[in-house]
Amino acid sequence: DVVMTQSPLSLPVTLGQPASISCRSSQSLVHSDGNTYLSWFQERPGQSPRRLIYKVSNGNSGVPDRFSGSGSGTDFTLKISRVEAEDVGIYYCMQGTHWPPTFGQGTKVEIK
Amino acid sequence: EVKLVESGGGLVQPGGSLRLSCAASGFTFDIYWMTWVRQTPGKGLEWVASINENGSGKYYVDSLKGRFTISRDNAKSSLSLQMNSLRAEDTAVYYCARGGPNYGPANWGQGTLVTVSS
Repeated sequence: DVVMTQSPLSLPVTLGQPASISCRSSQSLVHSDGNTYLSWFQERPGQSPRRLIYKVSNGNSGVPDRFSGSGSGTDFTLKISRVEAEDVGIYYCMQGTHWPPTFGQGTKVEIK
Repeated sequence: EVKLVESGGGLVQPGGSLRLSCAASGFTFDIYWMTWVRQTPGKGLEWVASINENGSGKYYVDSLKGRFTISRDNAKSSLSLQMNSLRAEDTAVYYCARGGPNYGPANWGQGTLVTVSS
């Protein structure tokens, strides 16, 4: 299975400051159809996960535009331009290129 | 509003069986892939199985093949997961989710806890 490695695992941030989470895959995530299936999920305390980003950089409907995704091949990044209190939670990357889909171990974002 | 409500979780002995159900509403069920994902404190999020729109394609994580069966009833907008020969390591919160393996599920239920213990 493809291993997804996130860093850091814990990210204390100051309100209003930017934050960045890295995700690396053990294999290229470029699919034979030319797409790169890398998604990001947010799990707020006490809630189920929700998808923020799909295909590297496409934002889900309703997701604030302070969230952005980038990357290619095996290296990907989720950025929050200005962290707000509601962004506290655990963030996961997920690859959907190779079966089975696999998730990173999660990055816990907390306010300093 | 998309709503996914799981049921059927609980305590079961090792070797036992359990059937999870998911009632879907707020969207056209039969045009979406559906998926089960489980979560444990130790292993994090783990894909379990996916089923395509009409139920003709069922896809399982290798380690669960033969023990778990995913199914759907489009007439009732419902998704099921039959789990047999349960082991302690199957203990997890099981989520019903809308979406397939490529993009990942866009919507998740609240989860149902399955505990396998004697």
